[in-house]
Amino acid sequence: GQSLEQPSEVTAVEGAIVQINCTYQTSGFYGLSWYQQHDGGAPTFLSYNALDGLEETGRFSSFLSRSDSYGYLLLQELQMKDSASYFCAVRDRVTGFQKLVFGTGTRLLVSP
Amino acid sequence: DVKVTQSSRYLVKRTGEKVFLECVQDMDHENMFWYRQDPGLGLRLIYFSYDVKMKEKGDIPEGYSVSREKKERFSLILESASTNQTSMYLCASSSGRTPATNEKLFFGSGTQLSVL
Repeated sequence: GQSLEQPSEVTAVEGAIVQINCTYQTSGFYGLSWYQQHDGGAPTFLSYNALDGLEETGRFSSFLSRSDSYGYLLLQELQMKDSASYFCAVRDRVTGFQKLVFGTGTRLLVSP
Repeated sequence: DVKVTQSSRYLVKRTGEKVFLECVQDMDHENMFWYRQDPGLGLRLIYFSYDVKMKEKGDIPEGYSVSREKKERFSLILESASTNQTSMYLCASSSGRTPATNEKLFFGSGTQLSVL
């Protein structure tokens, strides 16, 4: 089986830096993904970490520590448009096939 | 531009009705998925398919079935809709060509289903 834990809500102000943590338990780990979903919108892919370390894509970075079963999404220079829900996800091997399992999401509120 | 299209944005059905949710992708992706999203519960996997005519149960398959007769189309069927199936249903697809592409899901805009 698998489980993921992330905070339900995080608040920050414009221009700040925020870190959204994700801890996971899974029977067959391949990597950690992050998705963003604005209210009323579809989830969109942000990043994927298969190896330990930090991956940077513009203002967003994602980190993975496989030994700690832990990762985080780092958002810098926050903008109002970053207000959204953020989901971490892991792949879990099931009878030889793979499925992507999502956490319950972290709602980020960015204020002026 | 890549696209996953779900047939309806909003749907209202009555208890006991048979409901079809259709999803089409234009990216020639091998993998397709059906999730439902409920407040506080995140996205839960109902069924997925990694090839035409192939299907695998996800975490919450009870009360649902799926059909994948063509590569681009993945249908979710509620055989007899119940009020606890009121939810947002999200279809997604991904390419199975590499581990990295397998990871990147493209989602449709979702169907908000209300069962009365």
